[in-house]
Amino acid sequence: EAQLVESGGGLVQPGGSLRLSCAASGFTFSRYTMNWVRQAPGTGLQWVSYISSSSSTIYYADSVKGRFTISRDNAKNSLYLQMNTLRAEDTAVYYCVREDTVFTNYYYMDVWGKGTTVTVSS
Amino acid sequence: QSVLTQPPSASGTPGQRVTISCSGSRSNIGSTAVNWYQQLPGTAPKLLIYSNNQRPSGVPDRLSGSKSGTSASLAISGLQSEDEADYYCATWDGSLNGWVFGGGTKLTVL
Repeated sequence: EAQLVESGGGLVQPGGSLRLSCAASGFTFSRYTMNWVRQAPGTGLQWVSYISSSSSTIYYADSVKGRFTISRDNAKNSLYLQMNTLRAEDTAVYYCVREDTVFTNYYYMDVWGKGTTVTVSS
Repeated sequence: QSVLTQPPSASGTPGQRVTISCSGSRSNIGSTAVNWYQQLPGTAPKLLIYSNNQRPSGVPDRLSGSKSGTSASLAISGLQSEDEADYYCATWDGSLNGWVFGGGTKLTVL
């Protein structure tokens, strides 16, 4: 069974940094595009970042561009999110999410981790 | 404001059929498929419908999805108390180069 387990969340002061990790198991991690999606308290889902299977293509939401860096280590079956210059509005549960495809060009996010909580506060 | 527009709430009684709409634009729903997620309180989202109308294994056939133009909808028939949750539509936006979500619809079973 495919599984994703996030770690690295915690309390950090505004302007600080945090590195999230996601450990994948139960599937061939190197074949899949991965994403980070977050959910601020009491609000909806917000996509954060995308990385292709070989790391050749990377995208960021405008709200985190220039502050967050997504990366992966296929040898370690791991996904990362380096978060710098954190703001109060970055407070959220961060989910690691696998992306799959069907019919060649239809994509969907199918496997979600349980999430890790990031709180930015002084 | 979310890129995709969903009603904030919906409700129905047990056994009823309810639909949740999702409206977008040419750069997202108009260009590719729509997926739907269910989120129970305190848990991660779960994929309910992918590629407009496909159900992952384990999702009952009383849930169905459809898409027309720049809008999509999720239908739940034979409503059950366990369907009470938040529902989100999502798709890729080719102009933004990113995934976009609806704001979520809170479904209440009366």
